[in-house]
Amino acid sequence: ELKVEQNPLFLSMQEGKNYTIYCNYSTTSDRLYWYRQDPGKSLESLFVLLSNGAVKQEGRLMASLDTKARLSTLHITAAVHDLSATYFCAVDPTGTASKLTFGTGTRLQVTL
Amino acid sequence: GAVVSQHPSWVICKSGTSVKIECRSLDFQATTMFWYRQFPKQSLMLMATSNEGSKATYEQGVEKDKFLINHASLTLSTLTVTSAHPEDSSFYICSHLVLDTQYFGPGTRLTVL
Repeated sequence: ELKVEQNPLFLSMQEGKNYTIYCNYSTTSDRLYWYRQDPGKSLESLFVLLSNGAVKQEGRLMASLDTKARLSTLHITAAVHDLSATYFCAVDPTGTASKLTFGTGTRLQVTL
Repeated sequence: GAVVSQHPSWVICKSGTSVKIECRSLDFQATTMFWYRQFPKQSLMLMATSNEGSKATYEQGVEKDKFLINHASLTLSTLTVTSAHPEDSSFYICSHLVLDTQYFGPGTRLTVL
């Protein structure tokens, strides 16, 4: 059974600080997704990582994928309050983008 | 990104009744849509894959007779929770696949009293 674990589960950080969220998964996969969820809302696609070594950046967020280590990271640079949300990684071992297994989620709270 | 809508956004029903949730793909013809369930403060769990014009594929442990899925057109999939019970209370989210990414609907919060 595929397991996807995120670390930490909860993160409180001050504005302006940097931090990294980790996503570990238990089986081979070349595809990994990052989503953001605001309270009571659905999921917003942030990044699609499709190969080993893939790195994508959007604003203050940067995601990377190491398929050999079965690890993805989501790095936050100079956090702002608007980034407060829950972040999920999702793994797709089938390579079809249709069988997503989601991580446990990381609830990020950015304080002033 | 692709646009997916859901209706209703929330519903409260009595135990034993059935509830239908609609998922519409507004800007894309989706032969495949997905239904997820999310309990409070938990992650999303894939329930089933909805295939246009054919039977849905259910994940292990999901009762197909309880969660009826119909995908009659390229823009509409429905999930009917039959004989709902309080333990079915959850946030139900649908998605569709565009190229390499799933795009999610806004979700439907179901509360069964």
